[in-house]
Amino acid sequence: DADVTQTPRNRITKTGKRIMLECSQTKGHDRMYWYRQDPGLGLRLIYYSFDVKDINKGEISDGYSVSRQAQAKFSLSLESAIPNQTALYFCATSVLGNEQFFGPGTRLTVL
Amino acid sequence: EDQVTQSPEALRLQEGESSSLNCSYTVSGLRGLFWYRQDPGKGPEFLFTLYSAGEEKEKERLKATLTKKESFLHITAPKPEDSATYLCAVGSYNTDKLIFGTGTRLQVFP
Repeated sequence: DADVTQTPRNRITKTGKRIMLECSQTKGHDRMYWYRQDPGLGLRLIYYSFDVKDINKGEISDGYSVSRQAQAKFSLSLESAIPNQTALYFCATSVLGNEQFFGPGTRLTVL
Repeated sequence: EDQVTQSPEALRLQEGESSSLNCSYTVSGLRGLFWYRQDPGKGPEFLFTLYSAGEEKEKERLKATLTKKESFLHITAPKPEDSATYLCAVGSYNTDKLIFGTGTRLQVFP
């Protein structure tokens, strides 16, 4: 079984809809991250969390919110989706800021 | 400002033709330099961590090296299955975040 899982894997939605992306991990890591990837722009950090009570904004947090429901679960929400949020979204985990391990990704399309 | 630059953006090799990918970085207090492999539409797969200048790590046909300003990913006698985008990232003692480069897209032809 995969150590870091993301659901859904693909999602098509309409402008203005609320959508939630979920991430779960069985690695026992304390730190979790949400990135988006766009062609030519690389991976950009949206939010990160060091533990259940610690949430931090990344470089592109506007339009997004997160929830750390448990050590193993970290969700990303788009309150009102817009077309320029169309991208690949990745969740990652790590321990003490060492190498990060990524999930398989969610391909999100906003029409 | 912490920064990572990878070159070239794209590289086409014949099977068996060895080459190197470059990752130049500026960071205040290097905690580690990380290499990842990413296949299209999939999540980055961790390859190596390098912590200090002079360190080297190997895995099959890949060898990563580190100096105070850059890292190289050497690919020896590549095969078509080595085709992927290779990402470099640095971590700083000042932050728990990783700074990623935009990657080198490698294509190996038979």
